[in-house]
Amino acid sequence: AQSVTQLDSHVSVSEGTPVLLRCNYSSSYSPSLFWYVQHPNKGLQLLLKYTSAATLVKGINGFEAEFKKSETSFHLTKPSAHMSDAAEYFCVVSSSGGSNYKLTFGKGTLLTVNP
Amino acid sequence: GAVVSQHPSRVICKSGTSVKIECRSLDFQATTMFWYRQFPKQSLMLMATSNEGSKATYEQGVEKDKFLINHASLTLSTLTVTSAHPEDSSFYICSASRTGVGYGYTFGSGTRLTVV
Repeated sequence: AQSVTQLDSHVSVSEGTPVLLRCNYSSSYSPSLFWYVQHPNKGLQLLLKYTSAATLVKGINGFEAEFKKSETSFHLTKPSAHMSDAAEYFCVVSSSGGSNYKLTFGKGTLLTVNP
Repeated sequence: GAVVSQHPSRVICKSGTSVKIECRSLDFQATTMFWYRQFPKQSLMLMATSNEGSKATYEQGVEKDKFLINHASLTLSTLTVTSAHPEDSSFYICSASRTGVGYGYTFGSGTRLTVV
């Protein structure tokens, strides 16, 4: 079984300040972890993914995330928010054990960026 | 990079009619495609998984006779909402995977279905 918990449903930051979107996961097998971004009425765009290589993962648009097995966390960060970062963000887990290749989505975190 | 095209982006239909949504992988062969449903301000819920040339596997609670999925080729999967009702109104998103493992998914841009 696998699950994802996004700890904040809504995060509001000022432009130019750091962003932290929190995600905890549980998985019976070695997980692959992803962060996706969704703008209104659009599909999902992959920001970054962790697949058992380096624990600090760098993605697009200045985002990065660190896989911490001891804390079962995969928090998403960005040093300086931009207005265009305002969107919904989903943390996603997939476990490669057995035949379970399904993606399990967190409930999402809405990021608001204030001028 | 991998591109998935989903069409139409928006559709409005009358109750009782059927609507077909297409999902195409443009530059790769998608052995597995997934269909999701997203309610307003909520996360994505997996509806079904389809592998090319075989019957789709539906998630618990999803009516397979209502949501018909066809994956006849390695580049095309379709979702047909049959006898649509207003409660079927939602945002539907497909994704495609080259190998079916838990990474390498590419998502379509979604279809906003409104049933009136």
